[in-house]
Amino acid sequence: GESVGLHLPTLSVQEGDNSIINCAYSNSASDYFIWYKQESGKGPQFIIDIRSNMDKRQGQRVTVLLNKTVKHLSLQIAATQPGDSAVYFCAEKPQGGSEKLVFGKGTKLTVNP
Amino acid sequence: EPEVTQTPSHQVTQMGQEVILRCVPISNHLYFYWYRQILGQKVEFLVSFYNNEISEKSEIFDDQFSVERPDGSNFTLKIRSTKLEDSAMYFCASSISGTGVSPLHFGNGTRLTVT
Repeated sequence: GESVGLHLPTLSVQEGDNSIINCAYSNSASDYFIWYKQESGKGPQFIIDIRSNMDKRQGQRVTVLLNKTVKHLSLQIAATQPGDSAVYFCAEKPQGGSEKLVFGKGTKLTVNP
Repeated sequence: EPEVTQTPSHQVTQMGQEVILRCVPISNHLYFYWYRQILGQKVEFLVSFYNNEISEKSEIFDDQFSVERPDGSNFTLKIRSTKLEDSAMYFCASSISGTGVSPLHFGNGTRLTVT
């Protein structure tokens, strides 16, 4: 049959609220994780990364949480702004010498003023 | 802030033609990559390149694809005989120290349309 595009999960928040974007990753042996933001017509923009020996890492207005037990990654954005509206992707790197990132399907965040 | 630049932003070509997509990675980066994103699909890894050779490639990266770093600044992806299913956004990325050590920084992509 004809393949269809991915139906992206969506998250809609009010300006100033905190946002939490979730990601379930596939490989329990992955040792590195990274969040990207993609605005329309642009390439993925690096937000924050975390290694598997950590549970939490903070950046400017963003926090990434890693729960290896349930293979779950989350991105928290504090005081969300209209400029945060974009598609957010998590990606994982398989353990070992692999150079590739395996991307998730993305979540579309819409920030309402 | 230094960035990865890609040209052209949009390339239209006929099936069977050769295309070359060009990228200028960030100047002090040593690892280079091509990814692609078919409309509405996930971003997919194609190839990684380090020390003037391919370090890893995916199943997508068949004999029709090749990469080259012809000089100290450019990194190119060539598709020898394009197919309709090659239509996608192609993203170049670079990294200082490789995946898992330092983040990949992506360009804004080349939209390839094969007719």
